Amino acid sequence: DQQVKQNSPSLSVQEGRISILNCDYTNSMFDYFLWYKKYPAEGPTFLISISSIKDKNEDGRFTVFLNKSAKHLSLHIVPSQPGDSAVYFCAASLGAGSYQLTFGKGTKLSVIP
Amino acid sequence: DTEVTQTPKHLVMGMTNKKSLKCEQHMGHRAMYWYKQKAKKPPELMFVYSYEKLSINESVPSRFSPECPNSSLLNLHLHALQPEDSALYLCASSLLAGGYNEQFFGPGTRLTVL
Repeated sequence: DQQVKQNSPSLSVQEGRISILNCDYTNSMFDYFLWYKKYPAEGPTFLISISSIKDKNEDGRFTVFLNKSAKHLSLHIVPSQPGDSAVYFCAASLGAGSYQLTFGKGTKLSVIP
Repeated sequence: DTEVTQTPKHLVMGMTNKKSLKCEQHMGHRAMYWYKQKAKKPPELMFVYSYEKLSINESVPSRFSPECPNSSLLNLHLHALQPEDSALYLCASSLLAGGYNEQFFGPGTRLTVL
C-alpha cells in the first residue's frame, strides 16, 4: 500500500507561470513532510519542508502548503524557470524517533521556455 | 563543505566479485543512510547509522554489508550480488537521525551486476 502518492507522473508549465505539484498521503501519523528535486544521474536535492503544525512554509520561489484534514500537500514554484525541470519527490516522516522517509513516486516537471 | 560525495559513480561487477561503495560527508552530520533506487521508483531505505552505530537494517540481504568507520565515512560492501541488485545506490546524511532532520543525498553510484 502506497502511503505517499503523487498522482501526476508529469507536468508541463510555461516559463514564468506557476507550477503546482501535488502529493497525497494516507497515514495520519506522518508529522513532517519534505520536497526533493532530482536531476538525471544525480541524487535528490532537498528543497523545502513543513511540519504538521504549520499549513504553509515559504522559501524564495518555493512554497509548500499542507492541508492536514485532506491529507494533502502541494509545492508551488513561482515563477517557474527552465532550470526547475526535474523530477520532484514528496516525502513524509513519522517525526521524532523515525529514521525512515517514505517517498512518493515523483512528478516530472518540464518548464517550457 | 555542504555535500555528500560518493565513489565510484559507476560500477559494473560480476556475480562472484567483491566490491565496495564509498560515501563521505564533512558537514558534521551524525546520521548516515544507504538507499537503493530502481528506475522510475522512489528511493528505498536500506540501512541507517546513527553515531556510527547501525540503527536500522531494513531486512536487506546479507550480500550487502554496511560499515561506518568514522562519523564522516560510510561504506557498502558488496559480495555475490544478483542481476536484480542493479540499481542506483544513494547515500544520505542528516545532522541527527530522526524524522525532523532533512537528509542530504549524494549523487549515487550506478551499479550494474552482470
